[in-house]
Amino acid sequence: QQQVKQSPQSLIVQKGGISIINCAYENTAFDYFPWYQQFPGKGPALLIAIRPDVSEKKEGRFTISFNKSAKQFSLHIMDSQPGDSATYFCAANGQGAQKLVFGQGTRLTINP
Amino acid sequence: ETGVTQTPRHLVMGMTNKKSLKCEQHLGHNAMYWYKQSAKKPLELMFVYSLEERVENNSVPSRFSPECPNSSHLFLHLHTLQPEDSALYLCASSQNGRHPNEKLFFGSGTQLSVL
Repeated sequence: QQQVKQSPQSLIVQKGGISIINCAYENTAFDYFPWYQQFPGKGPALLIAIRPDVSEKKEGRFTISFNKSAKQFSLHIMDSQPGDSATYFCAANGQGAQKLVFGQGTRLTINP
Repeated sequence: ETGVTQTPRHLVMGMTNKKSLKCEQHLGHNAMYWYKQSAKKPLELMFVYSLEERVENNSVPSRFSPECPNSSHLFLHLHTLQPEDSALYLCASSQNGRHPNEKLFFGSGTQLSVL
């Protein structure tokens, strides 16, 4: 019940396309859903996050869509750029950063 | 620069060696974490310290021994490791570890290879 399942494991998108990464959870106590971005040789960094009281949050080209009834959330990257090539992790928690649960990660490659 | 510095960046050790990983944060945070990152697996939380007190220990083998002498420094002491312990070890910090919206700040990690 503590798991967050992320798909796909890897994704290749052409420059200018839309990248979509999906996550699903079981624990209804989760109430904070961040996405972290990790470039090679670096640690993950917070990209965008959402609370379940909204269905969508947008920051520039990055959008989180949240479906509370389905217990699913997804990251959309519009107009994907080669600089977006990285590994993306979804996560969830309900009790603070000490209890953050991560998905398996998606390696995204944007082809020029 | 995230404000969390880890050394060394790379470490190769034999199964009988003893080594230590170091982490330092310059953000004034009160909580520090060790995570293990293996290929195609979720980030695994190993240890959490809040105000220098260990508050989480996720069934980590005793060959990994953390130490938090103050709120800015965190160590992970390694001894008699196994080849399956080879991974990227990430240090992170956050304000206090208890707020639901709290952001984690990660270092760049130590890539550990156990021969």
